[in-house]
Amino acid sequence: AQSVSQHNHHVILSEAASLELGCNYSYGGTVNLFWYVQYPGQHLQLLLKYFSGDPLVKGIKGFEAEFIKSKFSFNLRKPSVQWSDTAEYFCAVNFGGQNFVFGPGTRLSVLP
Amino acid sequence: DAGVTQSPTHLIKTRGQQVTLRCSPKSGHDTVSWYQQALGQGPQFIFQYYEEEERQRGNFPDRFSGHQFPNYSSELNVNALLLGDSALYLCASSLATGGNQPQHFGDGTRLSIL
Repeated sequence: AQSVSQHNHHVILSEAASLELGCNYSYGGTVNLFWYVQYPGQHLQLLLKYFSGDPLVKGIKGFEAEFIKSKFSFNLRKPSVQWSDTAEYFCAVNFGGQNFVFGPGTRLSVLP
Repeated sequence: DAGVTQSPTHLIKTRGQQVTLRCSPKSGHDTVSWYQQALGQGPQFIFQYYEEEERQRGNFPDRFSGHQFPNYSSELNVNALLLGDSALYLCASSLATGGNQPQHFGDGTRLSIL
C-alpha cells in the first residue's frame, strides 16, 4: 500500500538551531512531493514542491528539501529556525492519479 | 483573491444523522478534493471532483458522497454518522487535475459526533 511516514512526532528546538524533518514514502515509481505547513489556527499552506529536475528544491521562508530517489526520501531542512516556525509540518506524496497521501505530521516547537 | 472557503466552521451531530459540508474553491480553480483529518493524524483523501464528476476516491465507505456544481463549488455528504466520523474535514482546490498541481486548503469544518 502507498504510504508516507514522518520520522518524528514532535521536535523541540531552540531558536537558531538547524532543522531537518524526515519523510519517506513507500513507492518506487514516479512521484510528486510536497511539504505543507500548518501554523496554529491557520489552514495548511504549501511550503515547497518537487516534480522533476534539481532534487534540491527551495521553498518559502528559507525552507528547502532534498529528494533522494534511492532512499525514497524527501527531507525538509532549514539552517536556522525562528520562533515563528512553530507549526505542524506535513509531507505529502502524489503517487499518480488524483490521490495525495499525507504523512502523520511532525509538530515543531521552537523555544525563544 | 478569495481563498478556499468552507462552511460551517463547526458542527455537532448525533449518531445516525446526516450532514452536508460546503466548499467554495479558490478563485480560478476548477478541481475540489475532500480530506478527513482525525486528531493527531495527517489528512486522509476522501475523493476529488472535476467537471462535476468524481475522479478518484480514497478508502471511504459509500456513506461519504459528494457533489460539484457548475460554479465549481462542492458539497460533502455523510450519511448514518458514526462516532468515528468525528474529525476535521478539509477541502482543497487546485487548477485542473493532476498530481503536480499543489492544493490550496480551506480552514476546515470541525465535525463532532455525540
